[in-house]
Amino acid sequence: SQQGEEDPQALSIQEGENATMNCSYKTSINNLQWYRQNSGRGLVHLILIRSNEREKHSGRLRVTLDTSKKSSSLLITASRAADTASYFCATEGQGAQKLVFGQGTRLTINP
Amino acid sequence: DGGITQSPKYLFRKEGQNVTLSCEQNLNHDAMYWYRQDPGQGLRLIYYSQIVNDFQKGDIAEGYSVSREKKESFPLTVTSAQKNPTAFYLCASSTLTGDRETQYFGPGTRLLVL
Repeated sequence: SQQGEEDPQALSIQEGENATMNCSYKTSINNLQWYRQNSGRGLVHLILIRSNEREKHSGRLRVTLDTSKKSSSLLITASRAADTASYFCATEGQGAQKLVFGQGTRLTINP
Repeated sequence: DGGITQSPKYLFRKEGQNVTLSCEQNLNHDAMYWYRQDPGQGLRLIYYSQIVNDFQKGDIAEGYSVSREKKESFPLTVTSAQKNPTAFYLCASSTLTGDRETQYFGPGTRLLVL
Protein backbone atom coordinates (compact mmCIF):
# COMPACT_ATOMS: atom_id res chain seq x y z
CA SER A 1 0.00 0.00 0.00
CA GLN A 2 1.28 3.45 -0.83
CA GLN A 3 1.46 5.83 2.06
CA GLY A 4 2.32 9.06 0.27
CA GLU A 5 -0.19 10.91 -1.85
CA GLU A 6 1.01 13.82 -3.92
CA ASP A 7 -0.79 16.85 -5.15
CA PRO A 8 -1.04 17.98 -7.86
CA GLN A 9 -0.46 15.00 -10.14
CA ALA A 10 0.79 17.36 -12.83
CA LEU A 11 1.98 20.96 -12.76
CA SER A 12 2.95 23.19 -15.67
CA ILE A 13 4.48 26.63 -15.07
CA GLN A 14 6.60 29.22 -16.83
CA GLU A 15 10.33 29.40 -16.35
CA GLY A 16 11.24 31.66 -13.48
CA GLU A 17 8.07 30.96 -11.51
CA ASN A 18 8.02 29.00 -8.26
CA ALA A 19 6.70 25.44 -8.17
CA THR A 20 5.03 23.93 -5.10
CA MET A 21 4.24 20.25 -4.65
CA ASN A 22 2.50 18.67 -1.69
CA CYS A 23 2.67 15.25 -0.10
CA SER A 24 0.39 13.71 2.51
CA TYR A 25 0.95 10.52 4.44
CA LYS A 26 -0.98 8.36 6.89
CA THR A 27 1.20 7.01 9.70
CA SER A 28 3.98 8.27 11.94
CA ILE A 29 7.33 8.65 10.24
CA ASN A 30 11.04 8.90 11.02
CA ASN A 31 11.73 11.07 8.01
CA LEU A 32 10.36 12.22 4.67
CA GLN A 33 12.44 12.48 1.54
CA TRP A 34 11.99 14.01 -1.90
CA TYR A 35 13.39 12.41 -5.04
CA ARG A 36 13.50 13.55 -8.64
CA GLN A 37 13.14 11.36 -11.73
CA ASN A 38 13.86 12.44 -15.26
CA SER A 39 11.85 10.57 -17.88
CA GLY A 40 12.95 6.94 -18.19
CA ARG A 41 15.74 7.31 -15.67
CA GLY A 42 16.48 6.36 -12.08
CA LEU A 43 15.61 8.50 -9.08
CA VAL A 44 17.93 11.07 -7.55
CA HIS A 45 17.74 12.04 -3.90
CA LEU A 46 17.05 15.75 -3.35
CA ILE A 47 16.48 16.40 0.31
CA LEU A 48 15.54 14.68 3.59
CA ILE A 49 13.63 16.18 6.49
CA ARG A 50 13.37 14.42 9.84
CA SER A 51 10.22 14.17 11.93
CA ASN A 52 11.56 16.70 14.47
CA GLU A 53 12.32 19.30 11.79
CA ARG A 54 9.83 21.77 10.34
CA GLU A 55 11.72 23.31 7.43
CA LYS A 56 14.84 22.64 5.44
CA HIS A 57 16.59 24.39 2.57
CA SER A 58 18.97 23.19 -0.12
CA GLY A 59 19.83 25.64 -2.87
CA ARG A 60 16.57 26.52 -4.65
CA LEU A 61 14.67 23.82 -2.74
CA ARG A 62 12.64 24.42 0.38
CA VAL A 63 10.88 21.58 2.19
CA THR A 64 8.41 21.91 5.02
CA LEU A 65 6.99 19.20 7.24
CA ASP A 66 3.86 19.40 9.38
CA THR A 67 3.61 16.20 11.40
CA SER A 68 0.31 17.27 12.98
CA LYS A 69 -1.26 17.37 9.51
CA LYS A 70 0.92 14.54 8.19
CA SER A 71 1.93 16.61 5.20
CA SER A 72 4.98 18.05 3.48
CA SER A 73 5.60 20.50 0.70
CA LEU A 74 8.46 20.97 -1.75
CA LEU A 75 9.04 24.44 -3.14
CA ILE A 76 11.35 24.99 -6.11
CA THR A 77 12.12 28.66 -6.53
CA ALA A 78 13.07 30.43 -9.77
CA SER A 79 12.31 27.35 -11.85
CA ARG A 80 14.38 26.41 -14.88
CA ALA A 81 13.59 24.27 -17.92
CA ALA A 82 16.02 21.69 -16.54
CA ASP A 83 13.75 21.24 -13.50
CA THR A 84 11.26 19.44 -15.73
CA ALA A 85 10.90 15.98 -14.15
CA SER A 86 8.70 13.91 -11.86
CA TYR A 87 9.07 14.52 -8.14
CA PHE A 88 8.32 11.85 -5.54
CA CYS A 89 8.00 12.01 -1.80
CA ALA A 90 9.03 8.96 0.20
CA THR A 91 8.46 8.23 3.86
CA GLU A 92 10.33 6.02 6.28
CA GLY A 93 7.96 4.76 8.95
CA GLN A 94 8.89 4.43 12.59
CA GLY A 95 10.58 1.08 13.17
CA ALA A 96 10.84 0.50 9.42
CA GLN A 97 14.01 0.50 7.34
CA LYS A 98 12.36 0.88 3.99
CA LEU A 99 10.78 3.73 2.06
CA VAL A 100 7.21 4.07 0.82
CA PHE A 101 6.86 6.28 -2.25
CA GLY A 102 4.03 8.50 -3.38
CA GLN A 103 2.73 8.52 -6.94
CA GLY A 104 4.62 11.63 -7.89
CA THR A 105 4.04 15.07 -9.38
CA ARG A 106 4.97 15.61 -13.03
CA LEU A 107 6.47 19.09 -13.28
CA THR A 108 6.84 20.82 -16.64
CA ILE A 109 8.72 24.10 -16.90
CA ASN A 110 7.88 26.00 -20.08
CA PRO A 111 10.65 28.20 -21.50
CA ASP B 1 33.65 5.99 -10.49
CA GLY B 2 31.25 4.78 -7.83
CA GLY B 3 27.67 3.95 -8.60
CA ILE B 4 24.96 1.44 -9.17
CA THR B 5 24.44 -0.23 -12.53
CA GLN B 6 21.57 -2.19 -14.00
CA SER B 7 21.52 -4.34 -17.08
CA PRO B 8 20.13 -4.74 -19.59
CA LYS B 9 18.44 -1.40 -20.28
CA TYR B 10 15.62 -3.18 -22.16
CA LEU B 11 14.56 -6.79 -21.72
CA PHE B 12 11.98 -8.80 -23.58
CA ARG B 13 10.23 -11.77 -22.06
CA LYS B 14 8.29 -14.47 -23.82
CA GLU B 15 5.29 -16.12 -22.24
CA GLY B 16 6.28 -18.70 -19.64
CA GLN B 17 9.88 -17.56 -19.51
CA ASN B 18 11.91 -16.56 -16.46
CA VAL B 19 14.18 -13.56 -16.91
CA THR B 20 16.85 -12.13 -14.62
CA LEU B 21 17.64 -8.45 -14.15
CA SER B 22 21.11 -7.54 -12.99
CA CYS B 23 21.96 -4.96 -10.30
CA GLU B 24 25.54 -4.23 -9.21
CA GLN B 25 26.90 -1.54 -6.89
CA ASN B 26 30.43 -0.52 -5.96
CA LEU B 27 29.38 1.89 -3.20
CA ASN B 28 30.10 -0.65 -0.47
CA HIS B 29 26.47 -0.38 0.60
CA ASP B 30 24.97 -3.07 2.82
CA ALA B 31 21.35 -2.67 1.79
CA MET B 32 19.88 -3.17 -1.66
CA TYR B 33 16.32 -2.84 -2.95
CA TRP B 34 14.20 -3.72 -5.98
CA TYR B 35 11.24 -1.58 -7.00
CA ARG B 36 8.67 -1.82 -9.73
CA GLN B 37 7.29 1.32 -11.41
CA ASP B 38 4.24 1.26 -13.66
CA PRO B 39 3.50 4.15 -16.07
CA GLY B 40 2.58 7.35 -14.25
CA GLN B 41 2.89 5.64 -10.88
CA GLY B 42 5.19 5.67 -7.92
CA LEU B 43 7.57 2.93 -6.87
CA ARG B 44 6.47 -0.27 -5.17
CA LEU B 45 8.93 -2.38 -3.20
CA ILE B 46 9.46 -5.94 -4.43
CA TYR B 47 12.31 -7.25 -2.26
CA TYR B 48 15.08 -5.82 -0.13
CA SER B 49 18.24 -7.12 1.49
CA GLN B 50 20.24 -5.66 4.34
CA ILE B 51 22.99 -8.26 4.48
CA VAL B 52 24.51 -10.97 2.31
CA ASN B 53 22.49 -14.20 2.18
CA ASP B 54 19.42 -12.54 3.67
CA PHE B 55 16.47 -10.75 2.08
CA GLN B 56 12.88 -9.81 2.87
CA LYS B 57 9.72 -9.56 0.82
CA GLY B 58 8.35 -6.14 0.03
CA ASP B 59 4.79 -5.23 -0.85
CA ILE B 60 4.58 -7.03 -4.20
CA ALA B 61 6.96 -10.03 -4.00
CA GLU B 62 4.67 -12.59 -5.66
CA GLY B 63 6.08 -13.80 -8.99
CA TYR B 64 9.59 -12.53 -8.22
CA SER B 65 12.70 -14.04 -6.63
CA VAL B 66 16.06 -12.63 -5.57
CA SER B 67 19.44 -13.75 -4.26
CA ARG B 68 22.19 -11.94 -2.37
CA GLU B 69 25.29 -14.08 -2.60
CA LYS B 70 27.63 -11.09 -2.79
CA LYS B 71 27.46 -7.66 -1.19
CA GLU B 72 27.82 -5.98 -4.58
CA SER B 73 25.10 -7.89 -6.43
CA PHE B 74 21.33 -8.30 -6.02
CA PRO B 75 19.78 -9.94 -9.10
CA LEU B 76 16.02 -10.07 -9.56
CA THR B 77 14.31 -12.93 -11.39
CA VAL B 78 10.89 -12.31 -12.87
CA THR B 79 9.28 -15.73 -12.98
CA SER B 80 6.53 -17.05 -15.22
CA ALA B 81 4.21 -16.75 -12.21
CA GLN B 82 4.29 -12.95 -12.59
CA LYS B 83 1.38 -12.49 -14.98
CA ASN B 84 1.83 -8.79 -15.62
CA PRO B 85 5.57 -8.19 -15.68
CA THR B 86 5.67 -5.24 -18.08
CA ALA B 87 7.10 -2.37 -16.04
CA PHE B 88 10.18 -0.30 -15.29
CA TYR B 89 12.36 -1.99 -12.66
CA LEU B 90 14.62 0.08 -10.42
CA CYS B 91 17.37 -1.13 -8.13
CA ALA B 92 18.65 0.97 -5.25
CA SER B 93 21.19 0.70 -2.46
CA SER B 94 21.90 2.40 0.84
CA THR B 95 24.39 2.25 3.66
CA LEU B 96 23.24 1.08 7.10
CA THR B 97 25.36 3.61 8.96
CA GLY B 98 25.73 7.38 8.71
CA ASP B 99 23.52 8.65 5.88
CA ARG B 100 21.54 5.42 5.99
CA GLU B 101 18.21 6.85 4.94
CA THR B 102 19.23 7.98 1.46
CA GLN B 103 18.80 5.50 -1.36
CA TYR B 104 20.90 5.62 -4.52
CA PHE B 105 19.22 4.38 -7.67
CA GLY B 106 20.39 2.67 -10.80
CA PRO B 107 19.22 3.74 -14.27
CA GLY B 108 16.51 1.07 -14.46
CA THR B 109 15.57 -1.84 -16.72
CA ARG B 110 12.42 -1.73 -18.83
CA LEU B 111 10.83 -5.16 -19.16
CA LEU B 112 8.45 -5.85 -22.03
CA VAL B 113 6.46 -8.97 -22.81
CA LEU B 114 6.47 -10.33 -26.35
